[in-house]
Amino acid sequence: DVKVTQSSRYLVKRTGEKVFLECVQDMDHENMFWYRQDPGLGLRLIYFSYDVKMKEKGDIPEGYSVSREKKERFSLILESASTNQTSMYLCASSSLILYEQYFGPGTRLTVT
Amino acid sequence: AQSVTQLGSHVSVSEGALVLLRCNYSSSVPPYLFWYVQYPNQGLQLLLKYTSAATLVKGINGFEAEFKKSETSFHLTKPSAHMSDAAEYFCAVSGGGGATNKLIFGTGTLLAVQP
Repeated sequence: DVKVTQSSRYLVKRTGEKVFLECVQDMDHENMFWYRQDPGLGLRLIYFSYDVKMKEKGDIPEGYSVSREKKERFSLILESASTNQTSMYLCASSSLILYEQYFGPGTRLTVT
Repeated sequence: AQSVTQLGSHVSVSEGALVLLRCNYSSSVPPYLFWYVQYPNQGLQLLLKYTSAATLVKGINGFEAEFKKSETSFHLTKPSAHMSDAAEYFCAVSGGGGATNKLIFGTGTLLAVQP
């Protein structure tokens, strides 16, 4: 089974802090994705990566950056956390051949 | 461009009743379509997928969906609801091509099952 793990299930940070969310997948997938999920808005793509050190902006990249130094690991960085970044963050991965994405359990981030 | 519309943000059914969750898509290329389920405080789990083979797709937990090109629909059904089916369900479409295989998600339908 594909396994996608995220570094924290729950996180509380203060406004202005730098926040790192980490995601690791064990299926040698080329593609990795970061989404945020908010009630009534569904899943919105923040960034994605199709190879090591490669990244592309999704629909809502402002206030975020990403890093992919190894194939299995994809990090989301909030440079200076703000209260409007309080959300559920979901990481996913997929192979080049198959379109379905496999999701991690999510990190519920609260910024106070 | 691809898009997905899920009709009904909340659906309530009685235990044992038919479950019908609606999804309509828009795609400029032959689509791949997916249904995912999300239980509270968990990630999304793949229920089933359509990838241009059989139009009636069977998934896990007794769910199935039918691809209807003429109606641009991919509705999810289950003949008899169980309490454990209470969750949020997301429809998604791909087919934009390229290496990234991005999915476009609907806004979700929260299914409540009444005893």
